[in-house]
Formats: sequence, C-alpha cells, structure tokens
Amino acid sequence: DIQMTQSPSSLSASVGDSVTIICRASQSISRSLNWYQQEPGKAPKLLIFSASSLHSGVPSRFSGGGSGTVFTLTITSLQPADFATYYCQQSFSYPRTFGQGTKVDI
Amino acid sequence: QVLLVQSGGEVKKPGSSVRVSCKTSGYPFTDYSLHWVRQAPGQGPEWMGYISPLKGNTNYAQNLQGRVTMTTDTSTDTVYMELGSLRPDDTAVYFCAREQWLVPKFDYWGQGTLVTVSS
Repeated sequence: DIQMTQSPSSLSASVGDSVTIICRASQSISRSLNWYQQEPGKAPKLLIFSASSLHSGVPSRFSGGGSGTVFTLTITSLQPADFATYYCQQSFSYPRTFGQGTKVDI
Repeated sequence: QVLLVQSGGEVKKPGSSVRVSCKTSGYPFTDYSLHWVRQAPGQGPEWMGYISPLKGNTNYAQNLQGRVTMTTDTSTDTVYMELGSLRPDDTAVYFCAREQWLVPKFDYWGQGTLVTVSS
C-alpha cells in the first residue's frame, strides 16, 4: 500500500496569512494526488485534483503543486471559512489512501 | 444537481451486521464508480472499497475482505454497503463517494452515516 504522510499535523494561523501543507507519498504516484477540506461533522470536499487542478467552484486562493512523491497545498490570504482539516489522497493505485490530516486553526 | 443521499444512523451490537444505502441522482449512474470511505472518531478517512455500477465488479480493502459486501440496484440508482461481524472499532461515520474513471477523484460525497457498535 502507498503511505501518505502530511506535515504539519496542525498549524495555527490568522486571517490573511498564507499557509502551505506538505504531503509525501511512500512511492512515486506521478500527479495522482487530490486534496480535500473537511469541516467538523461534514463530508470532505474536493479542492484540488491531479496535484494542481482546481475543482469547480473552489476559490483561487487554493493551489496545489508537486509530482512524484512530494506535493503541496497552499492557501493564500486565509479566510474564516478555511479553518478546517485538510487531507491529501492518492488515486494512483488501490487501495486508495489518505494522509492523516492537517488541522488549520486560528 | 448531483446528490448522494445516505440512510440514517445505526446502533448495532458486536457480531451483528449493518447495511448502509447511498441513493444517487443527477448524473448517469453507470458512468462513475461508487466508493465507501469510513472515518473513526478523531481519525483520518479510511478507504473501504468500491463497486462499479456498470459491471458490478468490486474491489475491497484487504483488512475488510470477508466482512464487507457492496451491491447496486440500477433500478433505483442506489448502492449498498453491508459490513458484518461488527466490532466496537467499526464505530465510525461511513461515507459514499463517487469517483470518475478518467481522472480519479472523489468529487461528490454522501452526507455520512454514523454507525455505532456497542453492547
């Protein structure tokens, strides 16, 4: 199975800040990497697919990058709605696997 | 409008089974695979497996093999996930999510179903 490791596991930031979350895969997954945002008690929401493509309706302050084994999610100019937990997920092979999450709080 | 609507929460005894449904609408049912993902309290998501409504083939997570069964009803565009031999550590919120074949991503999710396993 491909292991996904996120860092940091949590971070504190303020409205207007920029933050970057890193996701590492245990083997190369090309660009088969998706990012999700999850608020407490809700289903995850797709933000970024194929490493850097913005899902429909997602604000442009979210961006993704990377390929192979190292990927990033950057949120510029944090808004109150962005304080949530973020997960990376590989879609390169089965079983699909997720990172352990990064909680972004104030 | 794409919708995935799941059945309501369940409380089950250890050793019993649970069946969760996920009714889809707003898109061609057979054009996407349907996956199940669960999330234990305070934990990250865990992929459980998927079913292809087109061919009916399935792929289950190895740690659930023998306990999980996924089925579809193409007359109602509904998928079902049954988990047997329930244990307390199966307590989780269970989500269905659709995945596109060409560019795999979970773009729409059900609202989640809390399954509590307790004696």
